[in-house]
Amino acid sequence: DAGVIQSPRHEVTEMGQEVTLRCKPISGHDYLFWYRQTMMRGLELLIYFNNNVPIDDSGMPEDRFSAKMPNASFSTLKIQPSEPRDSAVYFCASSFYLYGGHTEAFFGQGTRLTVV
Amino acid sequence: GNSVTQMEGPVTLSEEAFLTINCTYTATGYPSLFWYVQYPGEGLQLLLKATKADDKGSNKGFEATYRKETTSFHLEKGSVQVSDSAVYFCALNTGNQFYFGTGTSLTVIP
Repeated sequence: DAGVIQSPRHEVTEMGQEVTLRCKPISGHDYLFWYRQTMMRGLELLIYFNNNVPIDDSGMPEDRFSAKMPNASFSTLKIQPSEPRDSAVYFCASSFYLYGGHTEAFFGQGTRLTVV
Repeated sequence: GNSVTQMEGPVTLSEEAFLTINCTYTATGYPSLFWYVQYPGEGLQLLLKATKADDKGSNKGFEATYRKETTSFHLEKGSVQVSDSAVYFCALNTGNQFYFGTGTSLTVIP
């Protein structure tokens, strides 16, 4: 398997524009996580899905952020409208649950978002 | 609740020095414990893991032992190399989401 695939790797956009980040998890994994990483706040969990269903979105900073997982092989994180303070690296990760515990989380390479 | 506390960095060591990065946790239930490493410009990669008390995870010369009595999972390496320079994250999972520490930056100088 190619691992977790995120696109784009880099995104530069103007304030107010819509931004869509994409993620393809590892085939067979039933959990998908979206994280945001900044120097100031470290690694933050935004939302996670189990079997394509959002389980906990309490980390989503505000209504400008939304995430979907229409099927087991694809997820999106959308920011509309974007603001400079959204500039960060966004990671997608996937894992699967075995009886007795999770496997580790497998991370994508991340999308570096810059909002100017 | 669930949480992970790891020693703050940055940590700077000379090549071949001994490394310890402390990690303690609070968890409900019986968590699995992980150490991840992040190199500049990359995502987090699993370094090692342990799934039950007294298990020792090891990889690339790094080791960590799951200590239930002290709720700890300290990362150690006997002789660090320049290539070990990275940020290290301790994490746990109790069945749903993962909980990460704040990360410890390590720089190894020749």
